[in-house]
Amino acid sequence: KAGVTQTPRYLIKTRGQQVTLSCSPISGHRSVSWYQQTPGQGLQFLFEYFSETQRNKGNFPGRFSGRQFSNSRSEMNVSTLELGDSALYLCASTLGGGYTFGSGTRLTVV
Amino acid sequence: KQEVTQIPAALSVPEGENLVLNCSFTDSAIYNLQWFRQDPGKGLTSLLLIQSSQREQTSGRLNASLDKSSGRSTLYIAASQPGDSATYLCAVKADSWGKLQFGAGTQVVVTP
Repeated sequence: KAGVTQTPRYLIKTRGQQVTLSCSPISGHRSVSWYQQTPGQGLQFLFEYFSETQRNKGNFPGRFSGRQFSNSRSEMNVSTLELGDSALYLCASTLGGGYTFGSGTRLTVV
Repeated sequence: KQEVTQIPAALSVPEGENLVLNCSFTDSAIYNLQWFRQDPGKGLTSLLLIQSSQREQTSGRLNASLDKSSGRSTLYIAASQPGDSATYLCAVKADSWGKLQFGAGTQVVVTP
């Protein structure tokens, strides 16, 4: 049974650019959540999607956005990148109980 | 607002010793609590999930207890091994569709 797959694993971007990260949930899981992890702030919730609808949103600026497709795959986009956006971005999927996380995308903004 | 605290922030034990990791939360109205392990630079691996109606869950050398009334959960790892070295995180969920609220984690080092 395949787990949660995140691509790419690593990204280096320049300030001001935009980036798109992808997440494929476990087959059958319709809920996908995104988290940002930094050494200073720990794990912070970005947003959650269920059946292509955003159900929950964390306290992040509008530069952070996401979407979910009909096959439950999700993407998150960050526009006008800032140095502080450098982080490990984690995606998780669930059937409604426990969460399964992917390996993450390490984003470095220079 | 739910706050999740994990103390201590770091722990070092010799191989073979039992590990006791603590997690406390301020709002006892939780849906479930999940323990994760994270290796450096990697994603989170789920260890145990405890529903709000449960008092404990066990998997191999791992046992997690939950006391909602006191806002505490404890993860016990028996007979620790160097491979148990990692950061352990607890996370609570307020309702079936809620986000996970994470603690800052406990970094564990098991020395041979």
